[in-house]
Amino acid sequence: QVQLQQWGAGLLRPSETLSLTCAVSGGSFSSSYYWTWIRQTPGKGLEWIGDINHSGGTNYNPSLKSRVTMSVDTSNRQFSLRLSSVTAAETAVYYCARRTMSQLPFNYNYYYYMDVWGEGTTVIVSS
Amino acid sequence: DIQMTQSPSSLSASLGDRVTMTCRASQSIGSYLNWYQQKPGKAPKLLIYAASSFQSGVPSRFSGSGSGTDFTLTINSLQPEDFATYYCQQSYSSLWTFGQGTKVEMK
Repeated sequence: QVQLQQWGAGLLRPSETLSLTCAVSGGSFSSSYYWTWIRQTPGKGLEWIGDINHSGGTNYNPSLKSRVTMSVDTSNRQFSLRLSSVTAAETAVYYCARRTMSQLPFNYNYYYYMDVWGEGTTVIVSS
Repeated sequence: DIQMTQSPSSLSASLGDRVTMTCRASQSIGSYLNWYQQKPGKAPKLLIYAASSFQSGVPSRFSGSGSGTDFTLTINSLQPEDFATYYCQQSYSSLWTFGQGTKVEMK
């Protein structure tokens, strides 16, 4: 059974860089999965930050792209998020998740969803 | 960005009730719609993908329907463990977006 365990600094000052890591245990790290970061705030709800595959291919939310860096360490089955110049508004619970792809019977389309999630890391940005 | 609007934002229901909530996309997204359940202090849990396909292990009282811009999540015979917040999420565009959630509370 695939599990995601995440960690990182929980208290930051404005303008600092957020850094989180997520380790994958069980299942495949490669194949057709993308490894995803999502955050949740009371005000904006759930927000997709971006994702990365085992080869380092990335997709970022355009609103965060200039400040986001995702990386992958296949040997340790880990992936990481760095978000620079954080503000108080980015106080949130940050989740890592696995993006999975499925093809339905008699359907040529591929469907994507997040089927495994980490437990979440609360990050507080405060001076 | 594709905006996802859920209604109602909250609802009160009793055990055994049939509960229905909706999700509307700001443009057509085909069947690229997923539903998640979230309980307080926990990560979201996938219930339904591709608008109507069950995630493994999800009770059959949950069902999803719809395509294009309008989608529905139905819970038949509400159970105690179903009191939670439910989110829809579109995977049609490269920028994935979520609805603001529907909170199911006990009447």
